[in-house]
Amino acid sequence: QLQLQESGPGLVKPSETLSLTCSVSGGSMNSDYWTWVRQPPGKGLQWIGHIFHSGGTTYNPSLGGRVFISADPSKKQFSLRLKSVTAADTAIYYCARGATHMIFGLVRFGWFDPWGQGTLVTVSS
Amino acid sequence: DIQMTQSPSSLSASVGDRVTITCRTSQDIKNYLAWYQQRPGKAPKLLIFAASTLQSGVPSRFSGSGSGTDFTLTISSLQPADAATYFCQNYNTALLLSFGGGTKVEIK
Repeated sequence: QLQLQESGPGLVKPSETLSLTCSVSGGSMNSDYWTWVRQPPGKGLQWIGHIFHSGGTTYNPSLGGRVFISADPSKKQFSLRLKSVTAADTAIYYCARGATHMIFGLVRFGWFDPWGQGTLVTVSS
Repeated sequence: DIQMTQSPSSLSASVGDRVTITCRTSQDIKNYLAWYQQRPGKAPKLLIFAASTLQSGVPSRFSGSGSGTDFTLTISSLQPADAATYFCQNYNTALLLSFGGGTKVEIK
């Protein structure tokens, strides 16, 4: 059974870079998408971006180019870096697998399953 | 961008009640819609994908329907374990995945 677990600092200073790692167990990273989603306390869900197993990435344009997602399938890990953080980036950060589906014979991102338990990152000096 | 509107934003119902949550999108997304359940303090959990396909292990009291711009999640007989917030998600385009604002379900 595929399981994901986030790790990283729980406190980041404003203007610095938030860095998180997601460790995958119970399966390989040789297929599907690997993705990050965040949730400000008490609010809704925001997709941050994802990396395809072949290495291609897609990011939420609302994050203004501050996002970088990388993966190391040999270690069964993928990572998130978010630059120049502010208090607005305070949130619970989730990693998740993005299941694929086919549209007109092309592989496309589908739904998020499973999810990691999430990790709270607070941006504060 | 595709706007996603869930309604109601919250509801309170009794055990055994039939509960319906609606998700409306600003563009036709065919059946590219998923539903999630998020219990307090927990990560979201996939319930339904492709608008109406029940994820393995999800109780059969959950069902989804709709296509195009109007979608529904139904709980046929509300149980105490169903107290949670429910989100819809569209995957019509992988360039900007988005979620609905959520519907909080409380047990009377």
